[in-house]
Amino acid sequence: LAKTTQPISMDSYEGQEVNITCSHNNIATNDYITWYQQFPSQGPRFIIQGYKTKVTNEVASLFIPADRKSSTLSLPRVSLSDTAVYYCLVGVRSYIPTFGRGTSLIVHP
Amino acid sequence: DTEVTQTPKHLVMGMTNKKSLKCEQHMGHRAMYWYKQKAKKPPELMFVYSYEKLSINESVPSRFSPECPNSSLLNLHLHALQPEDSALYLCASSQGAGNTIYFGEGSWLTVV
Repeated sequence: LAKTTQPISMDSYEGQEVNITCSHNNIATNDYITWYQQFPSQGPRFIIQGYKTKVTNEVASLFIPADRKSSTLSLPRVSLSDTAVYYCLVGVRSYIPTFGRGTSLIVHP
Repeated sequence: DTEVTQTPKHLVMGMTNKKSLKCEQHMGHRAMYWYKQKAKKPPELMFVYSYEKLSINESVPSRFSPECPNSSLLNLHLHALQPEDSALYLCASSQGAGNTIYFGEGSWLTVV
């Protein structure tokens, strides 16, 4: 299983762009990278998924370099409601989806 | 809003009780999952069902008994639990093995 490493916590301010990087050095060839957002007392919510280069949706962008050993979730112009824990998952396609420790993002006014 | 529905949202049970957590999805997904999450920890995989058959059991104690009556329903039967089993239990589903997983809101379990 590909193990992921993320910063434990990050702080930002409203209106700023936030970039959260995840390291996954032993990612397998057929593994996808998936990011989830979780608010306290709620289930994780799917944000974005990608395999290589860049993926963008209405919520975030995901940047994946050519070697795929890391990925960066980019949240544009965060608001207070973006305060949550963000998880990077690798290996969803290997059928044993395992969560790492996640990054606790706190957005300040 | 999530399309994976879990009931009950909160459950308090004694160590000698028998209770069940229920999960339902109507997305036509063929894989369903149970996760356990303790406070300030990431979700931990417990069980995976694929096409209504148990395919993964992550060495979960037998006091937790999963059941998949049909492709839309997933139950977790609880018996003789311990206080340390108190946690948020998350159900999830995906179209199939290796597809994006969608979670329910969870069931908060307190064992007294």
